[in-house]
Amino acid sequence: GAGVSQSPSNKVTEKGKDVELRCDPISGHTALYWYRQRLGQGLEFLIYFQGNSAPDKSGLPSDRFSAERTGESVSTLTIQRTQQEDSAVYLCASRPQTGYNEQFFGPGTRLTVL
Amino acid sequence: GENVEQHPSTLSVQEGDSAVIKCTYSDSASNYFPWYKQELGKRPQLIIDIRSNVGEKKDQRIAVTLNKTAKHFSLHITETQPEDSAVYFCAASKTGANNLFFGTGTRLTVIP
Repeated sequence: GAGVSQSPSNKVTEKGKDVELRCDPISGHTALYWYRQRLGQGLEFLIYFQGNSAPDKSGLPSDRFSAERTGESVSTLTIQRTQQEDSAVYLCASRPQTGYNEQFFGPGTRLTVL
Repeated sequence: GENVEQHPSTLSVQEGDSAVIKCTYSDSASNYFPWYKQELGKRPQLIIDIRSNVGEKKDQRIAVTLNKTAKHFSLHITETQPEDSAVYFCAASKTGANNLFFGTGTRLTVIP
């Protein structure tokens, strides 16, 4: 079946602009995660959604970052007033259900802030 | 919270040799330890995982060992091949927990 998809695959923006990144999880997956991966670095947790529960926002680096998810479908990550240090690959992952740990990753969106 | 450390950050081996990557974790309640492989420009993919009720798990040329007392686990790749070249991430979690805590990654290069 279809895996996790993300769009756009690449995004170049100017400092100060807002960007919106999209994630389509695997159908039926109740959990959805956003990670940031800076060049040559590890996976930095940003936010987690589980069904209709309140999201875990503990990884968001500043109030310029926000994310939404409607039910168990698409999620959008929004970065307002982008800064050069926001340049990274933003990865989305989904997981079937609580108690099942494997996360399935999307291909990522490479964000470049000029 | 959980803290996962991973070593080495880079590793180069000759084709056919073995490679070992080590991780430590801090939360004794963690009981699930996956390893993800990320090839250049591609998404991370799960290659093997182990739960705390076993000490070792093998899948062909890949094995993972777990020492719960010392809170460390390792990835072993035998008879390495050029296609094993990638960044490998370890992670730790508790069953049913929200999040995986990832190590910082090991860039493995297999020299033909």
